[in-house]
Amino acid sequence: NAGVTQTPKFQVLKTGQSMTLQCAQDMNHEYMSWYRQDPGMGLRLIHYSVGAGITDQGEVPNGYNVSRSTTEDFPLRLLSAAPSQTSVYFCASRTTGTVSFETQYFGPGTRLLVL
Amino acid sequence: AQSVTQLGSHVSVSEGALVLLRCNYSSSVPPYLFWYVQYPNQGLQLLLKYTTGATLVKGINGFEAEFKKSETSFHLTKPSAHMSDAAEYFCAVTLGTGGFKTIFGAGTRLFVKA
Repeated sequence: NAGVTQTPKFQVLKTGQSMTLQCAQDMNHEYMSWYRQDPGMGLRLIHYSVGAGITDQGEVPNGYNVSRSTTEDFPLRLLSAAPSQTSVYFCASRTTGTVSFETQYFGPGTRLLVL
Repeated sequence: AQSVTQLGSHVSVSEGALVLLRCNYSSSVPPYLFWYVQYPNQGLQLLLKYTTGATLVKGINGFEAEFKKSETSFHLTKPSAHMSDAAEYFCAVTLGTGGFKTIFGAGTRLFVKA
C-alpha cells in the first residue's frame, strides 16, 4: 500500500511552459485535492474532486487545470507557467467527499521552480 | 466564511518544557478541527482531530488539544517537548456535512532547544 504518490519530486520550468504534476492513490479514496504551500501562507486549496468525473475549484484555481478520469489518479496541469506558481504542491486524498471530518492523507510533495 | 489564525509563526521551547501552539478559528457552523504536523521535506500527517463529543482530544506522540467553543480556539499542547517534535504544525478547519474544503492556518514552526 503506497498511499499517495506524487511525481516528479522537483521540477524547473521556464515561464510560459506547461506541465502536469501527477498524483495517484491506491486506497480507493473518492476525494482527492491539490494544495500549494507558500511560506507564511499555509496550504491553499487549488482544486478538488469528490469522485471520477467530478471536480471543483478551491481557493486559488487560476492557472491550473484538473481532471479525474479514474478513482486513482488526479493530475494537476499548469497551462502556462508563471513565476508566481513557484511553490511546493501537495496532493491529498480521503475516503469520501461527503464526510468532511475524515483524515486527509498527503503525498510527499512536488517542488516547482518557475524561472 | 471560515478562517484559521495561528498565533506565532515560530515558537521556541527547551527540551522538557511545555509546548503550546495556538489556533483560533472562525466559522458560522460547528467546525471539524485538525492539527497536522510536517517534518522537513515531507508531506503533512494528522496529529489529532476534533469532530464531536469530548472537547479534549488526544493525538499521537503525546500531543493533545482542547476545543473551546466560547473562545473559538483549538490550542495544541504537549507537557514535555522532545527534540523530535521540531517541525511545522498546521491547524485546519473543515465545515460540517458537505464541507469539501479544508482551510489551513499559516503554520507554526516549533524549535526545540537542547
